[in-house]
Amino acid sequence: GAGVSQSPSNKVTEKGKDVELRCDPISGHTALYWYRQSLGQGLEFLIYFQGNSAPDKSGLPSDRFSAERTGGSVSTLTIQRTQQEDSAVYLCASSFELGVLAKNIQYFGAGTRLSVL
Amino acid sequence: AQSVAQPEDQVNVAEGNPLTVKCTYSVSGNPYLFWYVQYPNRGLQFLLKYITGDNLVKGSYGFEAEFNKSQTSFHLKKPSALVSDSALYFCAVTANYQLIWGAGTKLIIKP
Repeated sequence: GAGVSQSPSNKVTEKGKDVELRCDPISGHTALYWYRQSLGQGLEFLIYFQGNSAPDKSGLPSDRFSAERTGGSVSTLTIQRTQQEDSAVYLCASSFELGVLAKNIQYFGAGTRLSVL
Repeated sequence: AQSVAQPEDQVNVAEGNPLTVKCTYSVSGNPYLFWYVQYPNRGLQFLLKYITGDNLVKGSYGFEAEFNKSQTSFHLKKPSALVSDSALYFCAVTANYQLIWGAGTKLIIKP
């Protein structure tokens, strides 16, 4: 596709359930980022994949959060045993980076709005 | 600690007036600086970036930003605001392999 695609666009779940959020980055982009944005707030970095390097998971808020990127393309963010405080918009971005420096434009998907009841 | 500050939660400007959205940063080394905009119910979009060279950077939609190394600032500006500029604006700076994001400034342009 032409841009970063995220699915689902909206997800309502019950507390304690697991959810999976998907991100299809722009073809050829080497770097993929997951962020969390609470209502009207800034972006909270979650995890970063760059090429074949080990992902930077330093932003994941707890061990209930995990992410993988298969084949250097599609990524899935999984939240286990969801809590109400997990409610937010989860944004995915991709960019083309030759090295490890995040100096190129990040292209964002429209996000997944997660509501935990 | 590396950080980005957007000191104003909200900026109100009358249409046709110049606007400034402030951003200051604290990072080691030479920074790469970005501005992104988030329109209501839409994703984040890149506006402009500073990597090196001319301190005045021109971007999309008539916006520009000036890199000031001595003041560690990268304020976003536009000479004449439009109502359609109303949105949430984020400043970001590269720190190692991540972008450090400011908290965002809500820009409201009143007709």
